[in-house]
Amino acid sequence: QQQVKQSPQSLIVQKGGISIINCAYENTAFDYFPWYQQFPGKGPALLIAIRPDVSEKKEGRFTISFNKSAKQFSLHIMDSQPGDSATYFCAASPTGGADGLTFGKGTHLIIQP
Amino acid sequence: DADVTQTPRNRITKTGKRIMLECSQTKGHDRMYWYRQDPGLGLRLIYYSFDVKDINKGEISDGYSVSRQAQAKFSLSLESAIPNQTALYFCATSDGHQPQHFGDGTRLSIL
Repeated sequence: QQQVKQSPQSLIVQKGGISIINCAYENTAFDYFPWYQQFPGKGPALLIAIRPDVSEKKEGRFTISFNKSAKQFSLHIMDSQPGDSATYFCAASPTGGADGLTFGKGTHLIIQP
Repeated sequence: DADVTQTPRNRITKTGKRIMLECSQTKGHDRMYWYRQDPGLGLRLIYYSFDVKDINKGEISDGYSVSRQAQAKFSLSLESAIPNQTALYFCATSDGHQPQHFGDGTRLSIL
């Protein structure tokens, strides 16, 4: 049973556009929702994270939107750049990440120049 | 130097062999984790450890074992490797307050 469902699997966006990746979860005990960015040959790196007491968090061009009632959260990348081309993973944890993270399957994002 | 170092970075071996993947960290974090990444499946938690005396199973621990030799070292072993354990393996660390920090992975191929 997949606890975090991520979509789309792949995404192509023109430079300067908005990239949107969505995740949905089932476990209402989840209380920590990070997004990781992964480049080829590298490990995932934390991009931005949110807790369910806020509906939105913004860091630079990256924004997480969180809908607790719908059990959904999404990553928005504004003014997408070719350097943003990477694989993005959403994740969730009921213990702030202490007992490990449950990851979505990932989204391969390509920003076309 | 990398904060989280995984060795080897690549390994090819045969079915039935015993394999050990090693992870060392200089971040001083108490918590260490092993994940497995398969194409199209994301990362899945294998084992995690809060300190040298604390080992916990993750989602997919069958076929794997771990050893926490010191605060800075956490090893993952495949006692008798099988082809469906071919994957990318990641070690991660955390101090419980900061997010998990990942190494660059070990690519393991089992023939």
